[in-house]
Amino acid sequence: QSALTQPASVSGAPGQSITFSCTGTGSDIGAYSLVSWFQQHPGSPPRLLISEVTKRPSGVSPRFSASKSGNTASLTISGLQADDEADYYCCSYSESDSLYVFGTGTKVTVL
Amino acid sequence: QVQLKESGPGLLKPSETLSLTCTVSGGSIDSFFYSWIRQSPGKGLEWLGYIFYSGNTKYNPSLKSRVTISGDPPKKQFSLTLTSVSAADTAVYFCARHRADCRGVCYVAPYFDTWGPGSLVTVSS
Repeated sequence: QSALTQPASVSGAPGQSITFSCTGTGSDIGAYSLVSWFQQHPGSPPRLLISEVTKRPSGVSPRFSASKSGNTASLTISGLQADDEADYYCCSYSESDSLYVFGTGTKVTVL
Repeated sequence: QVQLKESGPGLLKPSETLSLTCTVSGGSIDSFFYSWIRQSPGKGLEWLGYIFYSGNTKYNPSLKSRVTISGDPPKKQFSLTLTSVSAADTAVYFCARHRADCRGVCYVAPYFDTWGPGSLVTVSS
């Protein structure tokens, strides 16, 4: 099972909005509304930002939003802040035997 | 506030067996799944397998039967065993909690809402 494809890096100025994608196939993102997004700062474990494609767990800023269309999921960060500088990973349930497939990761840089 | 913490040896030689334990504190283990996920240095995340609190397991077949996950519910501990390790198994190993998503049909969803800090395992001769 191949990893979901994410852009390697995205950057934006403080206050701007950025959106980046997570592309899978009809066997994972396209087949299920079981997509999550994670934020990971260096030296820390991933932190759940989004579940069920669009839902934010308690405590996650509303500046983070997500969507899905076809085989592609997207994460938007609005009002970019310095602390948003981190790696971001998507994850989807998959009908393959590997069950869960993670994205390749996107490094967000705040200029 | 539920917390997870991984523990175990940090250095192994090739062909040895990796054994890690995840200890849950601050809450009940009931109704949750516990996965082991690893991250190779500078690389992405790989799901290894999960165990339901009651003991049911599922593994990533890419590990070719080298992986076993077991549980000790009274101690609120879950253990990972990975046999015949090689340098390719060098990674930070995380345990993470998740749940089922039941909207008509139930799936064990990848909503890993609580993670341990991770345990670095290095395989080197």
